[in-house]
Amino acid sequence: SSELTQDPAVSVALGQTVRITCQGDNLRNYYAGWYQQRPGQAPVLVLYGKNKRPSGIPDRFSGSSSGNTASLTITETQAEDEADYYCNSRDSSGDPVVFGGGTKLTVL
Amino acid sequence: QVQLVQSGAELKKPGASVKVSCKASGYIFSSYAISWVRQAPGQGLEWMGWISGYNGNTGYAQKLQGRVTMTTDTSTAYMELRRLTSDDTAVYYCARGMGTTSDFDYWGQGTLVTVSS
Repeated sequence: SSELTQDPAVSVALGQTVRITCQGDNLRNYYAGWYQQRPGQAPVLVLYGKNKRPSGIPDRFSGSSSGNTASLTITETQAEDEADYYCNSRDSSGDPVVFGGGTKLTVL
Repeated sequence: QVQLVQSGAELKKPGASVKVSCKASGYIFSSYAISWVRQAPGQGLEWMGWISGYNGNTGYAQKLQGRVTMTTDTSTAYMELRRLTSDDTAVYYCARGMGTTSDFDYWGQGTLVTVSS
């Protein structure tokens, strides 16, 4: 089955821009979804499809995709953005849904 | 508003079974699938499987085939996991799926299942 690979940890200075990436062969055929998970809380969908944001997600969050890599970009990063971020997507081999290993975002 | 409310924490012995419920409200249950996702302590998210709210069709993760069963009853989804081991200790989430995608727009609060002798 396909895998989605994420950097384990990324840091960003308060107010700056950060990009979190997700790599996998299945991303050539499917969009990635992105989830924010704060400690002790359930994940929250922050991006899906072609750069779509659910209601209530600030426009500081945006997404892009190129080849086998999907990216989540956060501009003007706030302290409240410090969280774990997971990507996921459909897969045509093995399990139909796969998650990346997650990226811990630290806001300095 | 859409809500998914899960049953409470469980403590099980190795070899036992657990059944977690997820009661949905605020939307037409039959219009969406429910997926189950688990998260072991300090680990990432793992998709376990899904069930159609329309016809009860299911799809399970390969590693759980034969041990997991997902069902629905009216507006409640259930996930039963059998032959538990310590590796099954995790927070179990239900999540509503958007169409045929892997996008989960609403999540339950999570249910901690602890497997210990």
